[in-house]
This record gives sequence, structure tokens and C-alpha cells, in this order.
Amino acid sequence: DQQVKQNSPSLSVQEGRISILNCDYTNSMFDYFLWYKKYPAEGPTFLISISSIKDKNEDGRFTVFLNKSAKHLSLHIVPSQPGDSAVYFCAASARGTGTASKLTFGTGTRLQVTL
Amino acid sequence: DGGITQSPKYLFRKEGQNVTLSCEQNLNHDAMYWYRQDPGQGLRLIYYSQIVNDFQKGDIAEGYSVSREKKESFPLTVTSAQKNPTAFYLCATRGLASYNSPLHFGNGTRLTVT
Repeated sequence: DQQVKQNSPSLSVQEGRISILNCDYTNSMFDYFLWYKKYPAEGPTFLISISSIKDKNEDGRFTVFLNKSAKHLSLHIVPSQPGDSAVYFCAASARGTGTASKLTFGTGTRLQVTL
Repeated sequence: DGGITQSPKYLFRKEGQNVTLSCEQNLNHDAMYWYRQDPGQGLRLIYYSQIVNDFQKGDIAEGYSVSREKKESFPLTVTSAQKNPTAFYLCATRGLASYNSPLHFGNGTRLTVT
């Protein structure tokens, strides 16, 4: 049962344009969401997070939007740069479930930023 | 230089052998985690530990074992009971063992079992 879903395995965007990566979740107990970026043969790097009390969080070129009613979040990268080419993972965790520190990951979206 | 060290980066074993993957951290983080990544799949949690001498099973603990004798170290043993051990293994830490802080990852160990 995949509780965090990233339905687009890949995305190609031109340099300078906006990249939008999407993530859906099914567990209504999730209340903290994160995005990670991963290069091949390396560990994931934390990018940005959002708590369920917010609907938007911004950090430089990266913005995460949360739509709780739709159980959907998205990561916007503006402007996209070639160095952004990587696999992006969405992750979520829930308070008060007995495994409060557990992070559940999606399957990832490979972003390719072209020149 | 603070960080999470996983060694070795590449590991090869014969089927039927146990193998131990190392994870050491000098970030003074309390919580440590082991995840596994397979092609086309997300990261799946194997085991995690929030304090020394205590650990919990994750979603796919069968065929694995861990120990947490020191705060800095959380080794993972892949036993011969693990049916599909070939994968990319990632160790992570968290400064506050609570739900609203990010995990920090090491650079992983790629294990190949033939």
C-alpha cells in the first residue's frame, strides 16, 4: 500500500522555465511533508518542508504548496537550472502514530533540465 | 568535518553470507535510520533507533538485524535470510527524534549479492 505517490516517474523542462513536481498521499494522519533531491550513487539531500498548518513554504527558487483537502503537494522550481537535474522524492510523517519519527517516501520523479 | 559516513561505498558478497554495513555519525544526533532503495521504488525503512540500546523494526525488517551500542554508530547486518539483498542502502540521522525535522542521509552503500 503506497501511502505517498509520485505518479510521474520523469519530467523534462527547459532551463529557465518552471518545474512542477507533484505528490499525492492517502494517509490523513500525515501532517509534515518534505522534499528531497538525490543524485545517482549519493544520499538524498533535504530541500524544503511544510507543516500541515501552512499551505505554502518558500525558500529561494523552491516553493512547496500543500492542498490538504486534496491530499496533494507540489514542488515548484523557478527558474529551473541544469544543476537541478536529479531525482526528487516526496516524504511525509505523522504525529502521534507510535512511530512518530518514521518518514514515508514516494517513488521519486526524475527531473531533467535541458539547455 | 561533521557528517554521516557509510562504508564501504560498494560491497560484493556471495549468496548465503551475512554482511554488515557500517554507519557512523559525528553530528551528535539521537535518532538513526536504515533505508533501502531499489530501482523504481522509493526509500523503504528497514530499522530505526531513537536512543542508544533501543531500536524498532521498520516496514521491511525481515532478514536484517541492527545494534545501537553507541550514539555514533548504527551498523546493519544483512543476513542470509534476506531474499533480495542486492540494493542501495542508506543510513540517516535526525537531530530531534520528533516528526517535524528532516533526516540527514549518508552517501549510501551499494550491496551486490551473487
